[in-house]
Amino acid sequence: KQEVTQIPAALSVPEGENLVLNCSFTDSAIYNLQWFRQDPGKGLTSLLLIQSSQREQTSGRLNASLDKSSGRSTLYIAASQPGDSATYLCAVKEGGSEKLVFGKGTKLTVNP
Amino acid sequence: EAGVTQFPSHSVIEKGQTVTLRCDPISGHDNLYWYRRVMGKEIKFLLHFVKESKQDESGMPNNRFLAERTGGTYSTLKVQPAELEDSGVYFCASSPPGINYGYTFGSGTRLTVV
Repeated sequence: KQEVTQIPAALSVPEGENLVLNCSFTDSAIYNLQWFRQDPGKGLTSLLLIQSSQREQTSGRLNASLDKSSGRSTLYIAASQPGDSATYLCAVKEGGSEKLVFGKGTKLTVNP
Repeated sequence: EAGVTQFPSHSVIEKGQTVTLRCDPISGHDNLYWYRRVMGKEIKFLLHFVKESKQDESGMPNNRFLAERTGGTYSTLKVQPAELEDSGVYFCASSPPGINYGYTFGSGTRLTVV
């Protein structure tokens, strides 16, 4: 059974710091991995999608990497800003199904 | 393009009542999914439609939950009768045909059963 773990559960950093959020999954048979952002009381906003054959994806100040064989992904946020404060969720699309399996998320607070 | 639309955004009902949630996916997205997040837990899969057909409903918690997708367009999720443990946020998502596409999620419906 696929399980997704996100560490840390919460993170508080000063503005301007570079930071890394971690995601691990137990079964490497995945189609892709997606990072989402959720603001309080809002839906999920897709940040980056990495296919199983890819190693990384970049969008602006965000960079996500994928090491499928070791079951790990990281989300790197450069020069963090208070507007980056949100919960970040990692989800893998299981091989052989269309389901997304989510981690519990990392709650990020960027202090001005 | 319009996103995935869900309504209502909030619903408060009494135990034993019936509630129907609605999701309008992005036009042209054959795949439609329902997920749920209960307090303190991770978001979990409920079911998956391909057009109007249920492809996978392995995540539906019990027979009090009924999902339909009329003509392969919008979908409804009915809870009847609602129980306290059904409280949570219900998300709908859609994606184009093909396994390599990511999901687009709606804003969710926050259901509170009192």
